[in-house]
Amino acid sequence: DAKTTQPNSMESNEEEPVHLPCNHSTISGTDYIHWYRQLPSQGPEYVIHGLTSNVNNRMASLAIAEDRKSSTLILHRATLRDAAVYYCILRDVGTGNQFYFGTGTSLTVIP
Amino acid sequence: DSGVTQTPKHLITATGQRVTLRCSPRSGDLSVYWYQQSLDQGLQFLIQYYNGEERAKGNILERFSAQQFPDLHSELNLSSLELGDSALYFCASSASSVGTQYFGPGTRLTVL
Repeated sequence: DAKTTQPNSMESNEEEPVHLPCNHSTISGTDYIHWYRQLPSQGPEYVIHGLTSNVNNRMASLAIAEDRKSSTLILHRATLRDAAVYYCILRDVGTGNQFYFGTGTSLTVIP
Repeated sequence: DSGVTQTPKHLITATGQRVTLRCSPRSGDLSVYWYQQSLDQGLQFLIQYYNGEERAKGNILERFSAQQFPDLHSELNLSSLELGDSALYFCASSASSVGTQYFGPGTRLTVL
């Protein structure tokens, strides 16, 4: 299972964009990049995923580097409800669907 | 609300005992996953079932076992419990064996 590296914590002001980085230098060609977040006292929640191209959905955008060795989760306007631990996960569909969570980034949103 | 339900929400038991955690997946989802989250180990994948069959195994101890029933609900059995088994146990489900996973609210197990 390929490893991801994320900053332990980040802060953002409310209503400003947030860029959460993730490094995955050992990514393989069949690894999908997934982002989940875990709000306090809740189970992880799906945010977004992608393979090679940038992706957008109602929650966030995912920017994937051309060499795929890094990616960035973008929250366009942080709200207090976005305060959570964000996990960047690599999943190889060839070897199964299990997720290997790292330590994630704890995002604090300042009002 | 993810649509995944887990019971009980909290469980307190003693060392050496056995407990069963239950998970009902989202309607129509065939795959169920179990994860353990402890303070020192973070979120760890334990096991996956797809349509009643074991699909993948992670860091699951021999004292732990799971199964998925014909109605697709799953149970995680933890036996000979130790203090270190105290953790949050999450169940997740997905429509296929490789689909997006939706997590339940978790069961908090405390072993005294």
